[in-house]
Amino acid sequence: SQTIHQWPATLVQPVGSPLSLECTVEGTSNPNLYWYRQAAGRGLQLLFYSVGIGQISSEVPQNLSASRPQDRQFILSSKKLLLSDSGFYLCAWGLVGDTQYFGPGTRLTVL
Amino acid sequence: QKEVEQNSGPLSVPEGAIASLNCTYSDRGSQSFFWYRQYSGKSPELIMSIYSNGDKEDGRFTAQLNKASQYVSLLIRDSQPSDSATYLCAVNENSGYALNFGKGTSLLVTP
Repeated sequence: SQTIHQWPATLVQPVGSPLSLECTVEGTSNPNLYWYRQAAGRGLQLLFYSVGIGQISSEVPQNLSASRPQDRQFILSSKKLLLSDSGFYLCAWGLVGDTQYFGPGTRLTVL
Repeated sequence: QKEVEQNSGPLSVPEGAIASLNCTYSDRGSQSFFWYRQYSGKSPELIMSIYSNGDKEDGRFTAQLNKASQYVSLLIRDSQPSDSATYLCAVNENSGYALNFGKGTSLLVTP
């Protein structure tokens, strides 16, 4: 069965600091991978998706970036965090046009 | 802007009753529809997927889809306090890569 891991689970960072969140998937090959953000009182916002190694599509322009260095690894980064970057970051894997399965998430607080 | 709309709630039902959660979507080309449950502080977990008009049952859960009316619903029979959570409706548009999520309906099942 497939398993998706995210770390860290929680993170408190000062404004202007860098960010690196990691997501790995087990039990499947060449998955589509997604990064979502869920801010307080708002819905799930798709940030990036990837259909293969090195292939990243950005949905929302912002100071975040994503990379996929390996087939089952997806990384979300920022060079300088903003207060507005606070939220619950969710990694998901799935098939085109079909179900997406979420990891446990990382709760990021930017102070 | 293609939208998925849900009543934010909270929807309060007594234990043992039927909870009815509704979702409308704007894109007529949508092909796949999903219901996720999200407990406070946790990531969304898949409850049901539905692709064809009509009803689909899984245990106490029934998803209903009406593409002509652009409407999808989730019925929870014999509601339990453990069903208290936020329910997210998600729609895949034209078999694209992304799911478009509603903001969710908060359900409270009272003993």
